[in-house]
Amino acid sequence: SQKIEQNSEALNIQEGKTATLTCNYTNYSPAYLQWYRQDPGRGPVFLLLIRENEKEKRKERLKVTFDTTLKQSLFHITASQPADSATYLCALDPSYNTDKLIFGTGTRLQVFP
Amino acid sequence: EAGVAQSPRYKIIEKRQSVAFWCNPISGHATLYWYQQILGQGPKLLIQFQNNGVVDDSQLPKDRFSAERLKGVDSTLKIQPAKLEDSAVYLCASSLGLGAGRSDGYTFGSGTRLTVV
Repeated sequence: SQKIEQNSEALNIQEGKTATLTCNYTNYSPAYLQWYRQDPGRGPVFLLLIRENEKEKRKERLKVTFDTTLKQSLFHITASQPADSATYLCALDPSYNTDKLIFGTGTRLQVFP
Repeated sequence: EAGVAQSPRYKIIEKRQSVAFWCNPISGHATLYWYQQILGQGPKLLIQFQNNGVVDDSQLPKDRFSAERLKGVDSTLKIQPAKLEDSAVYLCASSLGLGAGRSDGYTFGSGTRLTVV
């Protein structure tokens, strides 16, 4: 069956450390993968997109990697801050032409001062 | 630029009642999506519109859910009759058009939290 798996347990880290979140998928061949941030009571907010031919993408303190062999994407937040505390969702388009997103369950990140 | 507007923000209804949600996407965005997000889960796609036409409604429980996007702008999602398991947040999202979401991502509204009692 097709699945997108993210660590369902919350990730707790200390301020200033690097947070690493994992997204694994099975039985998909996505052309790209996206990462979103979701705060309580709000809709997801788009952060980064990485295409299948890209190994790594950076935006300020954020870095995303995409390994199509391992079927895995890693999302890193360097120099984490309490304001980074939120749920992070990965999402992919299951085919090249549908332009629709299938989401993982999300991982809640808590950054402590 | 104004975001995706949704209303109401909260709704509590009894099972077997009907309910409707409204979405106004970003101006000029041709593609509109409705997602259902159950507590502790990721959003699940219900229906995708391109202008006023349905692109994908394969995950929409059509015996009780319906959606329309008249004139290719605003959209409404209706549930009739509601069941307890419909309790969730209903999110609306939009993108410029087919293909645009691949580079720019989707813009989501804040959602409508539905509680069925």
